[in-house]
Amino acid sequence: DAGVTQSPTHLIKTRGQQVTLRCSPKSGHDTVSWYQQALGQGPQFIFQYYEEEERQRGNFPDRFSGHQFPNYSSELNVNALLLGDSALYLCASSLVQVWGETQYFGPGTRLLVL
Amino acid sequence: QQPVQSPQAVILREGEDAVINCSSSKALYSVHWYRQKHGEAPVFLMILLKGGEQKGHDKISASFNEKKQQSSLYLTASQLSYSGTYFCGTESGNTDKLIFGTGTRLQVFP
Repeated sequence: DAGVTQSPTHLIKTRGQQVTLRCSPKSGHDTVSWYQQALGQGPQFIFQYYEEEERQRGNFPDRFSGHQFPNYSSELNVNALLLGDSALYLCASSLVQVWGETQYFGPGTRLLVL
Repeated sequence: QQPVQSPQAVILREGEDAVINCSSSKALYSVHWYRQKHGEAPVFLMILLKGGEQKGHDKISASFNEKKQQSSLYLTASQLSYSGTYFCGTESGNTDKLIFGTGTRLQVFP
């Protein structure tokens, strides 16, 4: 049973560029959540996708956008990159629930903005 | 508001016990515990649900005091593999958005 996969594993960009990160959920899961984790901090919720729609969003600017495809995989796009966007970006998948469902994390994409 | 974890760091010898606490200012529906090793993704340990149900690890236990909006993770007879940073993630309100705590770094030495 394949777990959550993410690509690429590492990425280096310069300020002002745009980046797309990809996530494939665990088999059988239909919900994908994205988190940003700065060095030494806990993951911060960016947004969640279910049925190809953004279901909820954290306190992140509109530069952060996403998409979910019919096969439940998801993309995270960040425009106009800032140095402060350097972080580990984690994708987590789950089955849709109101609350109380386990979220399984992928290995993450480490983004460095120069 | 981010849940606060205590202590910030713990150093143990193999076989010793530890308790990690997570405290929220909001009413909680559930508390999720994860362990993250350096450079890796968080790994699910357990969930404690409002109403008393628990799901997860068979060698790690936890408690959830709904009234106090607090949870504690109990690590007994620690092993070297327990080293890592422990995060609690909380769900508040009618949503499954996880808000992660400040983290507790645990190091187990032989």
